[in-house]
Amino acid sequence: KNEVEQSPQNLTAQEGEFITINCSYSVGISALHWLQQHPGGGIVSLFMLSSGKKKHGRLIATINIQEKHSSLHITASHPRDSAVYICAVSLGGNTDKLIFGTGTRLQVFP
Amino acid sequence: EAGVTQFPSHSVIEKGQTVTLRCDPISGHDNLYWYRRVMGKEIKFLLHFVKESKQDESGMPNNRFLAERTGGTYSTLKVQPAELEDSGVYFCASSPLIAGWGYTFGSGTRLTVV
Repeated sequence: KNEVEQSPQNLTAQEGEFITINCSYSVGISALHWLQQHPGGGIVSLFMLSSGKKKHGRLIATINIQEKHSSLHITASHPRDSAVYICAVSLGGNTDKLIFGTGTRLQVFP
Repeated sequence: EAGVTQFPSHSVIEKGQTVTLRCDPISGHDNLYWYRRVMGKEIKFLLHFVKESKQDESGMPNNRFLAERTGGTYSTLKVQPAELEDSGVYFCASSPLIAGWGYTFGSGTRLTVV
């Protein structure tokens, strides 16, 4: 079992829909990251959070440290939001390396 | 500000050949990480440099992989000799030494060993 689990693996939506992607982890972390990768593109960091909630435009990320769970929400989804969304946790310490989930492939249709 | 640059973007080599991947981090970022995604799997950690020193190389799969970061600037990852299972996308990421600033990723190098 992976230390970082994401759901769903694949998600399709109509433009305008509200989208939620979930991430659960089983290790102690210093922070949780939400990343985005468009087809053929590089990885872009969307959020880094260690508590509470962050918002950037139509994207909202929340984390519950006690439950070891985070969600990424996209409001008023748009076809340009189609991408793979990846949850990753950093372990802190001397290395602070990331452990990644398998990603959620989102397709938003007009 | 230039981002993290990786090259080549794609490489196709035959089994047994040598390939060298390069990563240029953001100037001033002392932390440099190499990660790899093999087909259908999650991205996994390979190693971490702080400046020119290897801080953690626990993710390096075997001694066919050699990473260097001369002078604490750019880094290279050499695979010699390459095997079929080395195929995947190799990502580089950098971050400042001060914690809490997050990571900047490169676009990755897609390596195909045939």
